[in-house]
Amino acid sequence: DTGVSQDPRHKITKRGQNVTFRCDPISEHNRLYWYRQTLGQGPEFLTYFQNEAQLEKSRLLSDRFSAERPKGSFSTLEIQRTEQGDSAMYLCASSLPGQSGSYNEQFFGPGTRLTVL
Amino acid sequence: AQSVTQLDSHVSVSEGTPVLLRCNYSSSYSPSLFWYVQHPNKGLQLLLKYTSAATLVKGINGFEAEFKKSETSFHLTKPSAHMSDAAEYFCVVTFTSGTYKYIFGTGTRLKVLA
Repeated sequence: DTGVSQDPRHKITKRGQNVTFRCDPISEHNRLYWYRQTLGQGPEFLTYFQNEAQLEKSRLLSDRFSAERPKGSFSTLEIQRTEQGDSAMYLCASSLPGQSGSYNEQFFGPGTRLTVL
Repeated sequence: AQSVTQLDSHVSVSEGTPVLLRCNYSSSYSPSLFWYVQHPNKGLQLLLKYTSAATLVKGINGFEAEFKKSETSFHLTKPSAHMSDAAEYFCVVTFTSGTYKYIFGTGTRLKVLA
């Protein structure tokens, strides 16, 4: 399968614990995005990588959140000292290089559902 | 600033009747617009995209959307609903430069009645 994959699909943790999620984008895609989707809402942008460089972070991404893409391939999203409010679906998407003035279709993974008890 | 408003959080239709899911956007320049569908426990799937080539866009599974600049709308339609269409639908606007990040609407849950 050559789509975007995410691991794990589900994570249950206790408040205060650290969690890490992984995203493997489509191999030729240099752009990688993380979004968060809470119940009943649309996904919200968290952060964006172009190759290994993290070029934009949303204000939603507090200091407890960190994302990396060390070799410009897979990416990890870590949440430290989890809180119940972090419970959500975390979505990863990837895309080809954008051309100014053109659209940029993103391909989404299945998501990691986080439950913080 | 870019934004998207989905006017209905829930829509119910009978099987075989038309579907209309409404979306209005706000953009300071010509946007790119998408509709995605999300079935329970499944990932987001692209239905169709508007990229300024044609105002009437045809997508998968019989869905269409029409870009109306004067009304800043991009409503999704389908002539005849099928039970398998029951899902959450998201209208998306994106920048055409920079990060190209997506701005999602809050979603419309479509229910199809037998």
